[in-house]
Amino acid sequence: GESVGLHLPTLSVQEGDNSIINCAYSNSASDYFIWYKQESGKGPQFIIDIRSNMDKRQGQRVTVLLNKTVKHLSLQIAATQPGDSAVYFCAENKLASGGSYIPTFGRGTSLIVHP
Amino acid sequence: NAGVMQNPRHLVRRRGQEARLRCSPMKGHSHVYWYRQLPEEGLKFMVYLQKENIIDESGMPKERFSAEFPKEGPSILRIQQVVRGDSAAYFCASSPAYFSGANVLTFGAGSRLTVL
Repeated sequence: GESVGLHLPTLSVQEGDNSIINCAYSNSASDYFIWYKQESGKGPQFIIDIRSNMDKRQGQRVTVLLNKTVKHLSLQIAATQPGDSAVYFCAENKLASGGSYIPTFGRGTSLIVHP
Repeated sequence: NAGVMQNPRHLVRRRGQEARLRCSPMKGHSHVYWYRQLPEEGLKFMVYLQKENIIDESGMPKERFSAEFPKEGPSILRIQQVVRGDSAAYFCASSPAYFSGANVLTFGAGSRLTVL
């Protein structure tokens, strides 16, 4: 299940299950979104991206869904494996106050996969 | 083909000292971004640079922090007179030239600064 509190939201699943990680974004004008995976002690790693003119994009074992009406993104991971355990971030390209579009990260969700 | 290289990986400083973090972007990448990450939090944008130019520093504190990306050599994030609140992981990322609003970042492994 998912818990929200002072720590990162956490999703615990069994190996082989499908995982769904959700993300709400803030700016209805954002037109490009990316999911990153961050393993402990490492930098974030690109997983998949999607533009706002699409509502679904598939990769290898991962699917991103975009719902612009409610400003919501989800990352679906099929047949989750222990190696998928990490923190997952969504990022939206957002106009920074300096005038540039900057990937702006959400808080992240910790995925724990139990063997 | 080396990725984004950051050093040092770990840095310990006493309050009031200076911290210098270095980042070499991926080969062929001309854009560098610095982010800061506190434990259990997401990455907060600090500064975006191209060679010899600061493009956007809207996320960087006005005092004690500076960044550069010289014509030759790595990008440097410099923190003067460090305080305990500066303790964090600092990530550098690079991307190729900005294209059609899609800037996919490649991140380094981060530099973890601890201020005693």
